[in-house]
Amino acid sequence: QKEVEQNSGPLSVPEGAIASLNCTYSDRGSQSFFWYRQYSGKSPELIMFIYSNGDKEDGRFTAQLNKASQYVSLLIRDSQPSDSATYLCAAHTGTASKLTFGTGTRLQVTL
Amino acid sequence: EADIYQTPRYLVIGTGKKITLECSQTMGHDKMYWYQQDPGMELHLIHYSYGVNSTEKGDLSSESTVSRIRTEHFPLTLESARPSHTSQYLCASSEYVEAGYTFGSGTRLTVV
Repeated sequence: QKEVEQNSGPLSVPEGAIASLNCTYSDRGSQSFFWYRQYSGKSPELIMFIYSNGDKEDGRFTAQLNKASQYVSLLIRDSQPSDSATYLCAAHTGTASKLTFGTGTRLQVTL
Repeated sequence: EADIYQTPRYLVIGTGKKITLECSQTMGHDKMYWYQQDPGMELHLIHYSYGVNSTEKGDLSSESTVSRIRTEHFPLTLESARPSHTSQYLCASSEYVEAGYTFGSGTRLTVV
């Protein structure tokens, strides 16, 4: 079992809809969670991080964390074609000096 | 703003050549990382460093080596390039891991 798991997709949503991206993790010691967006051929860019249970909102993006169920999600409201990218979930565990990344979910926003 | 720089952006090189991929950051971050990523595939950690004179191998076995003589500089070297080394190489840095990484723009390496 991978430490951080994501459905590879593609997840296809129409423009203007809400895109929901999910991530589960296996290590209960994981403390901080990150969502990166990666456009094809580009490097990942950090869009949100969360470390407390509940929701965290930033513009059209909302990260949700449920430590009891060990899942993290990212909601993108009013999806735009420019949101089409691969979204990587990452976790930081304990005293580790590195993040553990999932394989990413490819999002396609259709016109 | 991009405070972590990778050069070259693209490199095509012949088999057997020695190459060094450069990564520099101006943020004073102690922690730096090298990832390898094939198109459409997941990130694989190949090397990381906690600070000057500290380097560790990552989760993916790699024939590359790294050095960390200065805080801002973390070059990756391939002594003898092979076609199997063709990939994108991403450098990242972090002040503290809880805040996440900042990635460089990457080097796309093609070995012919």
